[in-house]
Amino acid sequence: AQTVTQSQPEMSVQEAETVTLSCTYDTSESDYYLFWYKQPPSRQMILVIRQEAYKQQNATENRFSVNFQKAAKSFSLKISDSQLGDAAMYFCAYRRYTDKLIFGTGTRLQVFP
Amino acid sequence: EAGVTQFPSHSVIEKGQTVTLRCDPISGHDNLYWYRRVMGKEIKFLLHFVKESKQDESGMPNNRFLAERTGGTYSTLKVQPAELEDSGVYFCASSQGPVNYGYTFGSGTRLTVV
Repeated sequence: AQTVTQSQPEMSVQEAETVTLSCTYDTSESDYYLFWYKQPPSRQMILVIRQEAYKQQNATENRFSVNFQKAAKSFSLKISDSQLGDAAMYFCAYRRYTDKLIFGTGTRLQVFP
Repeated sequence: EAGVTQFPSHSVIEKGQTVTLRCDPISGHDNLYWYRRVMGKEIKFLLHFVKESKQDESGMPNNRFLAERTGGTYSTLKVQPAELEDSGVYFCASSQGPVNYGYTFGSGTRLTVV
């Protein structure tokens, strides 16, 4: 069975600095999708970034980028130039084709001015 | 377009009572999903509707949970009778078709059973 592990329950970063959130997963599949979701205090979960496993190039969305290491089954999220609005719960998730999403336990990110 | 709407946003009920959660997906989205996060744990899949049919209900914890999707539009998730371990945040999400991307989530319903 596929599993997703987020080993950092909480992280903090100073505004304008860079922070990296860790995620590892376990699967025997070769084709799948990985996601980072953000849940701000208002509670609606928002898709931050996604990565197709067949793509070697790491996905980037503005200040958000991932370090996808397929062999190591690692999918970390880097947030550059952190802003106060980045404070949220971040969930890493795995999905194979149209299957259900499998989530990690989340990392709470605090951003200090 | 309107997003995925869930209500109530919060619900506090006593053990043994019944609660019904509602989800209104984005108009035209055939796929509707329910997920649940128990405090401090991962978000877990409950079930998946395609229109009014249950495509996958493998995540439903037990027969105290009943999900319906009338006419392929909104969905309800009823918990009867509620137990303490049912407390958590219940998320609904919808998508237009089989997608290889993420889908649109609602804001969730925080259920507290006391």
